[in-house]
Amino acid sequence: GQNIDQPTEMTATEGAIVQINCTYQTSGFNGLFWYQQHAGEAPTFLSYNVLDGLEEKGRFSSFLSRSKGYSYLLLKELQMKDSASYLCAVINSNYQLIWGAGTKLIIKP
Amino acid sequence: ETGVTQTPRHLVMGMTNKKSLKCEQHLGHNAMYWYKQSAKKPLELMFVYNFKEQTENNSVPSRFSPECPNSSHLFLHLHTLQPEDSALYLCASSQEGQDHTGELFFGEGSRLTVL
Repeated sequence: GQNIDQPTEMTATEGAIVQINCTYQTSGFNGLFWYQQHAGEAPTFLSYNVLDGLEEKGRFSSFLSRSKGYSYLLLKELQMKDSASYLCAVINSNYQLIWGAGTKLIIKP
Repeated sequence: ETGVTQTPRHLVMGMTNKKSLKCEQHLGHNAMYWYKQSAKKPLELMFVYNFKEQTENNSVPSRFSPECPNSSHLFLHLHTLQPEDSALYLCASSQEGQDHTGELFFGEGSRLTVL
């Protein structure tokens, strides 16, 4: 089968750095997305990785290692508004999106 | 504002009711999707419409019936639902090319409760 694994919940402190991991086993790979979803709101696009390495976008960075089936989302200088769920999704060889269950990130003052 | 609008935002219905969820996208995209989101579970793809043609139906029970009258509008008709169908139903759109899956733009969802 195909699955995406990410931690269910993480807690971090305002101003700190947190890394949310995502490992995947899919039939092929054509890219990986990270989405952010605040409670009661729509998921919104954060990043897309298709090649190995780090993509940086302001306080958020996303890393991909295709050989390890692994990605992480790095959030720096955490703010209270970063409290949300973070969804990892992989495009497989059939161009289907396979979703993880999401990581709920709780930021404490 | 993501450019994808869903109504109603909240819906409570009995198991014998018939209701519909509506989605409209203002982005000029060529593909629209219905997803089911349950607590602590991955998003479940229900239906995909590409250029108004249904291209995917992931073994969804017939009590869910999609309709795509044009590339901007998508409906999900609900009939004789079960309590386990209570969930957040998300609509999304994307611009699809050959061998390419574009970024999804989601609506804020319709929270459905079946009594």
